[in-house]
Amino acid sequence: DTAVSQTPKYLVTQMGNDKSIKCEQNLGHDTMYWYKQDSKKFLKIMFSYNNKELIINETVPNRFSPKSPDKAHLNLHINSLELGDSAVYFCASSRRGSVDEQYFGPGTRLTVT
Amino acid sequence: DQQVKQNSPSLSVQEGRISILNCDYTNSMFDYFLWYKKYPAEGPTFLISISSIKDKNEDGRFTVFLNKSAKHLSLHIVPSQPGDSAVYFCAARSKGGSEKLVFGKGTKLTVNP
Repeated sequence: DTAVSQTPKYLVTQMGNDKSIKCEQNLGHDTMYWYKQDSKKFLKIMFSYNNKELIINETVPNRFSPKSPDKAHLNLHINSLELGDSAVYFCASSRRGSVDEQYFGPGTRLTVT
Repeated sequence: DQQVKQNSPSLSVQEGRISILNCDYTNSMFDYFLWYKKYPAEGPTFLISISSIKDKNEDGRFTVFLNKSAKHLSLHIVPSQPGDSAVYFCAARSKGGSEKLVFGKGTKLTVNP
């Protein structure tokens, strides 16, 4: 009965590869997010989708492409991985307009070697 | 540009005593503030929030205080319990209904039995 799930939990890959992280929520929420927590521990928003529509797109390299096949899923595809992409990536969801109740997934630790 | 600052990376208190976690912000457009709690290998979970029209919000053992003139908020946990040991993130939202949250770096709280 996991509310927000992410796969995989750990991802180790080499520079230049392309990888995807999947996120699913079973809460019936309309809005989903991707956050990045870097080595300095800052949790920064990358993207937000509402009902499959992109509503927040922070200054993120275009190597990162979110895809929302339906409102319960928000996947993150990363092309040409770089060392600096190593971080923990968190997916989250919330009801539309309820920024306070963001429910986070367990995170995906991406290591680029 | 750190708009939300948590200047204490760690805090250690004895069980039963009060824990006070501090957060400062620089953006006067922030109108809603939240605290999230994070255990290792898990995503952050929402703890408590406060609107800028209030100066205090209480929920059980947790109280958040907001001092707008000082651009400062604090989270009080009393009495502290060992299960409260976690990283606490302060977050803020701008006026205008944006879904975007800005997070601080977090403070690691350790409650000793």
